[in-house]
Amino acid sequence: KAGVTQTPRYLIKTRGQQVTLSCSPISGHRSVSWYQQTPGQGLQFLFEYFSETQRNKGNFPGRFSGRQFSNSRSEMNVSTLELGDSALYLCASNNRGSNTEAFFGQGTRLTVV
Amino acid sequence: AQSVTQPDIHITVSEGASLELRCNYSYGATPYLFWYVQSPGQGLQLLLKYFSGDTLVQGIKGFEAEFKRSQSSFNLRKPSVHWSDAAEYFCAVVPFGGGGNKLTFGTGTQLKVEL
Repeated sequence: KAGVTQTPRYLIKTRGQQVTLSCSPISGHRSVSWYQQTPGQGLQFLFEYFSETQRNKGNFPGRFSGRQFSNSRSEMNVSTLELGDSALYLCASNNRGSNTEAFFGQGTRLTVV
Repeated sequence: AQSVTQPDIHITVSEGASLELRCNYSYGATPYLFWYVQSPGQGLQLLLKYFSGDTLVQGIKGFEAEFKRSQSSFNLRKPSVHWSDAAEYFCAVVPFGGGGNKLTFGTGTQLKVEL
């Protein structure tokens, strides 16, 4: 069974640009969550999507957005990039419900210059 | 506010020595508890999880963790560390009854293994 797949693995963008990251969950998993990991702030929850609807949202500005498609694949978008958006962005999938664990992808390393 | 604390930022142990990584949580009710490991530049791999029942849980790679309600702790242990265990370890929680889709993480413990 294939794991969570994130593309691309690495990205370099310029301040002010926008970026889109992609996540394909484990087959059968309908919940996808996104996390930002930085040395200063650690691992922080961005948002969760289930059945194409955002179910939970973390404390991030509106420049961070996402969506989920009918096949459960998810994308997150960051507009008007800032230097502080440089981070490892991790996607996790699970079977939404109690007593379930999240499975993580390898992450996308975004560098903003 | 709900929080997870990993008091040790860095730990160094000799190969073959025992290991204990500490995790304390602050929640209104006992949450679900997880330990993840992350190698440099990689994603997170689940080591073990606690939902309910037996307070000593076994995980992969020879790791175990013990849930102690009275101390609000979920410490990770390994009897004999291998050089390949060098990585960063994260304790994480979700509220009781929740799934693993909105995790709150501790700040992580970086493990170094001396040969």
